[in-house]
Amino acid sequence: QGQLVESGGGVVQPGRSLRLSCAASGFTFSSSGMHWVRQTPGRGLEWVAVIWYDGTEIYYADSVRGRFTISRDNSNNTLYLQMNSLRGDDTALYYCVREDRHTAAGKTLRWFDPWGQGTLVTVSS
Amino acid sequence: DVQMTQSPSSLSAYVGDRVTITCRASQSVTINLNWYQQKPGAAPKVLIYGASTLQSGVPSRFSGSGSGTDFTLTISSLQPEDFAVYYCQQSHFTPRTFGQGTKVEIK
Repeated sequence: QGQLVESGGGVVQPGRSLRLSCAASGFTFSSSGMHWVRQTPGRGLEWVAVIWYDGTEIYYADSVRGRFTISRDNSNNTLYLQMNSLRGDDTALYYCVREDRHTAAGKTLRWFDPWGQGTLVTVSS
Repeated sequence: DVQMTQSPSSLSAYVGDRVTITCRASQSVTINLNWYQQKPGAAPKVLIYGASTLQSGVPSRFSGSGSGTDFTLTISSLQPEDFAVYYCQQSHFTPRTFGQGTKVEIK
C-alpha cells in the first residue's frame, strides 16, 4: 500500500513560515492525488489541501487559502506544504495522505490510504 | 461544505457486543463515504470505502451500509483491539470532510 514519511514540523512563532515535506515510497506517486490533513483535539480531522497527480489542479480549505501552498516533485516522490503567516489555530498534527481510487461500472471510489505518521506543528510565541 | 455528523460521539460496550455507528451527510454523497479507525498515537486507517467495501486485511466483523445521506458502520462482535475512535469521511466533494469521530470504549 505504500509508505509516507512527513518531516519539517516544529515550534514556530505566529506570523512566521514553515515548510513540510512528505517522502513517498511503495506506490506510483506520480499517478496519485495527494492531500494534507491536519488534526487537533478540538477540531478533529480537518482537510487542508489537495494536489492532482500532475499538479494541474490544486484546492485549499478556506482557513488556509492564501497562506499555504501545496506542491509536489514527482521526480523525487515528494509532497510539500509551504505554510506562511502561521497563526495559533494552525497548531496541529499534519498528515500527508494519498487518495487511492477504484473505478468500476463507470463510478470512481476514492479514499485516503496510506497516511503518514504525522508531523507536529506548534505555533506559539 | 458538506457537513458530516456522527452519532453517538462516544459509546461504552462489552467485548462481544454488536456496535453500530451512524454518519449523516448534509447533502447526498452517493456512496462516496469512507470509515476510518484511529488508535492512540497512530494515524487513521481505512476500514471501509465506497460505503460498504471492506479494505483488504480488515476483519469481516466490520461492515458498512448506506447511500445518499445516511450511513452505518457495524462491528458485529466487538473485540479488544477494536477500542478506538472511528471517523466517517465523504469523498464526493472537495473539500473532503470528516465526521467528528465516535470513541468506542470498554464497558
